Amino acid sequence: GNSVTQMEGPVTLSEEAFLTINCTYTATGYPSLFWYVQYPGEGLQLLLKATKADDKGSNKGFEATYRKETTSFHLEKGSVQVSDSAVYFCALSDYGGSQGNLIFGKGTKLSVKP
Amino acid sequence: KAGVTQTPRYLIKTRGQQVTLSCSPISGHRSVSWYQQTPGQGLQFLFEYFSETQRNKGNFPGRFSGRQFSNSRSEMNVSTLELGDSALYLCASSLGTTGLSYEQYFGPGTRLTVT
Repeated sequence: GNSVTQMEGPVTLSEEAFLTINCTYTATGYPSLFWYVQYPGEGLQLLLKATKADDKGSNKGFEATYRKETTSFHLEKGSVQVSDSAVYFCALSDYGGSQGNLIFGKGTKLSVKP
Repeated sequence: KAGVTQTPRYLIKTRGQQVTLSCSPISGHRSVSWYQQTPGQGLQFLFEYFSETQRNKGNFPGRFSGRQFSNSRSEMNVSTLELGDSALYLCASSLGTTGLSYEQYFGPGTRLTVT
């Protein structure tokens, strides 16, 4: 079945460091891919998305490219800030699937130190 | 436009009781999905409703049920609560249920603690 695997956390970085959170997926067909962010005490917010191979999603300095050949959608940011501290979830669309319309990875907790 | 709202935000119940959680989707959104989030299992899909009909269901026992009203508001009910039901319950709404990229907008969640 379809699934998402993302790197285990927690990840601790200093402010202005480069961030990469790895995400790979297994899917039949051509799903859309998403990154969601969850700040403490809040629900999930869509950070960025890509709907087809080679698409690059970007938002708030974060980027991720849909790589079909490596089945990956790694999240990157060139210079993180303390305010980026949150849990990040990679997800793929699986409309009508038994796991719901979105299949999530386990989440990666990011802590950015000043 | 107001976001997805969930009530209550926090809830404490004892084992054996039942609970009802409410979700109001974004205006115009007709699909509502429910997820359970726990530290051990992560985000797990409960069910999805569209136009008052359950369209999809995850692998949860029958103690978990839901419904959707004509105004798209949705409720989920958990009967005979168990300690393992302690979790953050998230509701998400979207315009519809098909298409390549219908975005799901999440509410802040209801934190349920079962003692």
